Amino acid sequence: ETGVTQSPTHLIKTRGQQVTLRCSSQSGHNTVSWYQQALGQGPQFIFQYYREEENGRGNFPPRFSGLQFPNYSSELNVNALELDDSALYLCASSFGGLGGDTQYFGPGTRLTVL
Amino acid sequence: AQSVTQLGSHVSVSEGALVLLRCNYSSSVPPYLFWYVQYPNQGLQLLLKYTSAATLVKGINGFEAEFKKSETSFHLTKPSAHMSDAAEYFCAVSEDTGGFKTIFGAGTRLFVKA
Repeated sequence: ETGVTQSPTHLIKTRGQQVTLRCSSQSGHNTVSWYQQALGQGPQFIFQYYREEENGRGNFPPRFSGLQFPNYSSELNVNALELDDSALYLCASSFGGLGGDTQYFGPGTRLTVL
Repeated sequence: AQSVTQLGSHVSVSEGALVLLRCNYSSSVPPYLFWYVQYPNQGLQLLLKYTSAATLVKGINGFEAEFKKSETSFHLTKPSAHMSDAAEYFCAVSEDTGGFKTIFGAGTRLFVKA
């Protein structure tokens, strides 16, 4: 059984650029959630995709967008990068899209915006 | 509205001593509650979760937590700390009324002294 994988591991961008982060869900899972974790803080929920549809969204501006593909892998896109977007971006996969589901986290993508 | 408060950003215990990490939450609906552990430069690993079954929840690595509705608390305990328990711990609350939502606490860094 393959766990949750994320790519790339690290990324450096400049202000105003756009970035795409990728997540492959664990085998058998149909739900992917994305989180932003700034240094020294807890993860903040960005959004969740369940069977290719957005199933919930946190307090992030529209320049944070996502996709889920038929194989349930997912992308997080961030446009017009700002310095405050520098963070560890985590994805988590689960089955069911429900609040009580166990989420399995990937190792994260470290994004640095200069 | 959901919220999570973790009391104490840092907790230090001696090896073999009791570990107590505090978490208080608010939620407008019956909550799902979680404790996660994060080791440096890694993703989050689920320790245990409460989903309205037994109020005393046992997790991995000897950790347990008790759901107390009257106190809106979900404190994490372990009878005897081990050096390998040193990590960051996060409490989280989720719900799925009107879409998935989850809030993480700011985290508590656990130090274990020899």
